[in-house]
Amino acid sequence: QQPVQSPQAVILREGEDAVINCSSSKALYSVHWYRQKHGEAPVFLMILLKGGEQKGHDKISASFNEKKQQSSLYLTASQLSYSGTYFCGTEEVGTYKYIFGTGTRLKVLA
Amino acid sequence: DTGVSQDPRHKITKRGQNVTFRCDPISEHNRLYWYRQTLGQGPEFLTYFQNEAQLEKSRLLSDRFSAERPKGSFSTLEIQRTEQGDSAMYLCASTLGLNTEAFFGQGTRLTVV
Repeated sequence: QQPVQSPQAVILREGEDAVINCSSSKALYSVHWYRQKHGEAPVFLMILLKGGEQKGHDKISASFNEKKQQSSLYLTASQLSYSGTYFCGTEEVGTYKYIFGTGTRLKVLA
Repeated sequence: DTGVSQDPRHKITKRGQNVTFRCDPISEHNRLYWYRQTLGQGPEFLTYFQNEAQLEKSRLLSDRFSAERPKGSFSTLEIQRTEQGDSAMYLCASTLGLNTEAFFGQGTRLTVV
C-alpha cells in the first residue's frame, strides 16, 4: 500500500508557506521527496535517513519521524517555480520496494 | 554520464501487439526500478533489479509483463498482448544503493489504440 499524502492539492499565492505530509503504514529506511512538473520526470529534492532528522536547502525543508513513519515537507516563501506535484518516496524495511506516495498538487499563483 | 535514458520516448501500438522498452541507467548504479504512471497518479512500482537479479516484482504486474537486465547494465521491459489499460508513462530510475537519490529517465509514453 502506497504512502498517503495530505493535502491532495493546495493553491498558494507567491510568498505563502505550505506543508505537505506523507504517512506510511510500513517501517521505512528513509523518505525521499520529489517534485514533478507536467510531462516531466520526477526531480529529487532531498532524502531523510534518521528518525527526527530535519534537512533543508534554500526555502524547502523536511522532517522525518521514523517511529511514526511520517514525513513532512515545508515550503516557505513559495515561488512560482514551486508549482508541480510533490511525491514522497519510501524505501520499506525488509523489501526492495521503492514506493511513491499518492502525491500533492501544488499551484503557486502570482 | 548523461543520466538515465529511455527509448523510445513515445510508442503507439495496436491492441494485442507486443512492445519492448529500453532503459540505460547511470553506469555505476547497480539498482534499477521500473514504474508505471498514469495521469494524475504517482509512479506505481513495477519491478526492481539489483545488478542482473530481479529481486522484487509487484503483484500488480500481470504475467504479460516481463523485465530483464541481462548484464546488470541496461534493462528492458516487455509487454505482451497489449491492452488499452496499459496506456501510461513507463519510467525507469536508477540508484547507487540503499538510501540514495533516484535518478529518473524521461520515460516512455505508451498509447494502445
